[in-house]
Amino acid sequence: GAVVSQHPSRVICKSGTSVKIECRSLDFQATTMFWYRQFPKQSLMLMATSNEGSKATYEQGVEKDKFLINHASLTLSTLTVTSAHPEDSSFYICSAISGRDSYNEQFFGPGTRLTVL
Amino acid sequence: GQNIDQPTEMTATEGAIVQINCTYQTSGFNGLFWYQQHAGEAPTFLSYNVLDGLEEKGRFSSFLSRSKGYSYLLLKELQMKDSASYLCVPSDSNYQLIWGAGTKLIIKP
Repeated sequence: GAVVSQHPSRVICKSGTSVKIECRSLDFQATTMFWYRQFPKQSLMLMATSNEGSKATYEQGVEKDKFLINHASLTLSTLTVTSAHPEDSSFYICSAISGRDSYNEQFFGPGTRLTVL
Repeated sequence: GQNIDQPTEMTATEGAIVQINCTYQTSGFNGLFWYQQHAGEAPTFLSYNVLDGLEEKGRFSSFLSRSKGYSYLLLKELQMKDSASYLCVPSDSNYQLIWGAGTKLIIKP
């Protein structure tokens, strides 16, 4: 199967600092990667879609200057939460599509739990 | 608009069978996924249906009726580790996944 990793799995930071989360496809090249956020007991919320070598497409209401996404290669996408505040504390999950199947199955990373103090 | 309707919570007994129903409305349709999500973890893929009918995979089966906008996930021989949230996730005309809050399944001994 296709494996996606995320790093770090857990991060605690002070308010005002920036945090970078990495998402890697380990055994396939990801044509598209997605970034989601999930608050407790709520559904996954798509934040943005990124394709290698191009700018990410952000969902409505997601601040592109606050959540910087870089998809520099076919196996790596990064999400940087800039000037993080307590309300940014959440579970951030990435997923990737390999393009090898016809139905665009998304393979999910294990998630990163961000706590902003 | 796009929406998904699933029970918020269900309870079942270890060893039994449970069916989780889902109705959905989407702009276009490109199949429906079922995911399992344990608390504090990312979703894991269970099944995918794009044609009407039943897909069986071990203890889990998933059914789809496109004309009715209806799907169900059937879990047999329930185990304690099956306690999790189950997410019915249709894919719209742009292949975008539509996420709801899912059904929290509680398994009792």
